[in-house]
Amino acid sequence: DSGVTQTPKHLITATGQRVTLRCSPRSGDLSVYWYQQSLDQGLQFLIQYYNGEERAKGNILERFSAQQFPDLHSELNLSSLELGDSALYFCASSGSGGGGQGHEQYFGPGTRLTVT
Amino acid sequence: DAKTTQPNSMESNEEEPVHLPCNHSTISGTDYIHWYRQLPSQGPEYVIHGLTSNVNNRMASLAIAEDRKSSTLILHRATLRDAAVYYCILRDFRRGGSQGNLIFGKGTKLSVKP
Repeated sequence: DSGVTQTPKHLITATGQRVTLRCSPRSGDLSVYWYQQSLDQGLQFLIQYYNGEERAKGNILERFSAQQFPDLHSELNLSSLELGDSALYFCASSGSGGGGQGHEQYFGPGTRLTVT
Repeated sequence: DAKTTQPNSMESNEEEPVHLPCNHSTISGTDYIHWYRQLPSQGPEYVIHGLTSNVNNRMASLAIAEDRKSSTLILHRATLRDAAVYYCILRDFRRGGSQGNLIFGKGTKLSVKP
C-alpha cells in the first residue's frame, strides 16, 4: 500500500460527458502528479501541483484540468470525453524535502476510465 | 531529460539473480538514475535510485558504470512477484525531488519462470 488513494476505481461513461477523478496523497506529501496510461501511448505525465499551485504541465489536453485543494487532495477533471480518453489515470505524490528526500514518487492504484 | 534504452523483455528463473540493463549514453552530470517497476494491474512502484555510487536497498541493488553511461538493476533472487515492467528513468536533480515529473519509456518486461 503506497498510502496514495484514488477514487473511483472504475468509471464508465459516454462520449461528450464530464468526469472527476480524485486523489489523496500520502500524509505530508505536498506534490501531486497525474499520469495517463493507455495501450498505445504508455505512461504519460499530465500535470503536477505543489502545495496548491500548478508546478509543471505535460501532455495534458485543454479539455482536461486539475486542481489541488488546501487539504492537499487533488482532482482531475476530464470533459467532452472522447473514446481515446479511455485509459488508466494514476495519481502520484512525493515529499518536499531536498537531498535524497522527495525523489520517490508514490503511485495510487489508478482509476480505469472507459468511454463508450 | 536524457533518454534511456532498455531491452523490451527478459526472462528469469525463480530464485536466480536478474540483471536488468539500461543504457543512458547522453546522461548529464546532474541526472539521477531512477528505477520504477509496474506489476500487472497496479500503479508504478519506486525501486531504487542513484547518482554515481552503487546503491543497495531491501528491494534491489543498482550498479552504475564508472562513466555513468549505463547502469544495471540487480534483483538478487527473483520471485514470481517480481514479474513486472521495469523502467529506467533519468531525472535532473536540479529540478528537485518534488519538482520533477517522471518520463517513462517502454521499460523491460520481466517474466519469472517457476
